[in-house]
Amino acid sequence: NAGVTQTPKFRILKIGQSMTLQCTQDMNHNYMYWYRQDPGMGLKLIYYSVGAGITDKGEVPNGYNVSRSTTEDFPLRLELAAPSQTSVYFCASSPSDYVTDTQYFGPGTRLTVL
Amino acid sequence: DAKTTQPPSMDCAEGRAANLPCNHSTISGNEYVYWYRQIHSQGPQYIIHGLKNNETNEMASLIITEDRKSSTLILPHATLRDTAVYYCIGGTYNQGGKLIFGQGTELSVKP
Repeated sequence: NAGVTQTPKFRILKIGQSMTLQCTQDMNHNYMYWYRQDPGMGLKLIYYSVGAGITDKGEVPNGYNVSRSTTEDFPLRLELAAPSQTSVYFCASSPSDYVTDTQYFGPGTRLTVL
Repeated sequence: DAKTTQPPSMDCAEGRAANLPCNHSTISGNEYVYWYRQIHSQGPQYIIHGLKNNETNEMASLIITEDRKSSTLILPHATLRDTAVYYCIGGTYNQGGKLIFGQGTELSVKP
């Protein structure tokens, strides 16, 4: 299994541009998450999904959109990039939200908005 | 979700035990204590979790005080590859699986 994969690894955007961060998992997990991590800080939850067609907001959803059309994919969309969105973005998945089901993280996408 | 407090940084000699403390005085009765770690530039990695009893797995041991207000993660024989930021997280299941990460403890294992 490849686990959780994310593309691209790095990206530089200009203010106002849009992009989609891709996340795919091959473990047939129902739950998927998007986090952002600013320098020197812990991770903050942006959006999560409990299954195909179901998404919900996390702690910092403003400026982002998500969709979940398949179990495997959970893309994150930035519509109008702003410097405040410069961060490292991590996607994660888990089989369920039960206590013994841990979250598996991807390698991250490092985004810079100039 | 319980608020957790951890020291910002710690050092440990290679081959010695690393003991990472965490205070979670506001933890409720059904909240578990989870530990994740993040090696530089990588995604976080699950280590261990527990509710009341002490737990051990192939990576670490988790000691939870009887009043559950604090816990200690123990890496029995730290190696250079254990250098990472360690996050202690309090949470419950059936909450959408949401993990609330604090700033963690940066552990430096030195030769």
